[in-house]
Amino acid sequence: EVHLVESGGDLVQPGGSLRLSCAASGFTFNSYWMHWVRQAPGKGLVWVSRIKTDGTTTTYADSVKGRFTISRDNAKNTMYLRMNSLRAEDTAVYYCAREGVAGLDWYFDLWGRGTLVTVSS
Amino acid sequence: DIQLTQSPSFVSASVGDRVTVTCRASQGISTWLAWYQQKPGKAPNLLIYGASSLQSGVPSRFSGSGSGTDFTLTISSLQPEDFATYYCQLANIFPYTFGQGTKLEI
Repeated sequence: EVHLVESGGDLVQPGGSLRLSCAASGFTFNSYWMHWVRQAPGKGLVWVSRIKTDGTTTTYADSVKGRFTISRDNAKNTMYLRMNSLRAEDTAVYYCAREGVAGLDWYFDLWGRGTLVTVSS
Repeated sequence: DIQLTQSPSFVSASVGDRVTVTCRASQGISTWLAWYQQKPGKAPNLLIYGASSLQSGVPSRFSGSGSGTDFTLTISSLQPEDFATYYCQLANIFPYTFGQGTKLEI
């Protein structure tokens, strides 16, 4: 069965750093683009970042550009999100998601359960 | 950036009702739209992609339509497990924006 499992969420002070992990299983991880999406408490979904199959291409939302770094280790079937200079507004559940493609169609067809990041003093 | 606006933000309905949720894009996006369902404390679940293609395993009471700027998600006969929040998403167009969500309540 296919799974994505996030970990690494924690309580961190403003200005601090954190690294999230997303462990994949049950599918050929290195064949898929992967994404991070976050959801602040009681709010909607916000796309954060994406990474190409081989890690050579990355893209970020303007709100995290320069502070967050996405990466992956295909040998370990794991994606990461390094978050620096954290702000209160980064408080959210962070989900990893797999990008599926069918012909010209595109979607997030597999999601993890999320990991909570709380930025507070 | 392209914006997505969902309406309504909240809808109250009963089991057996037909419900329609609308998503409007600020500019034409062909059929680059997906719909997700999210239940409290759970991850989103893909329902529809390509504006109208039903994801495998999703009940046929869910359907999507539209192209260009106006899209709809329809649930033909509400079941108890359908009470959740629904999001549209700009598919394959940066920055992959989500709509603000529509909460479907009993």
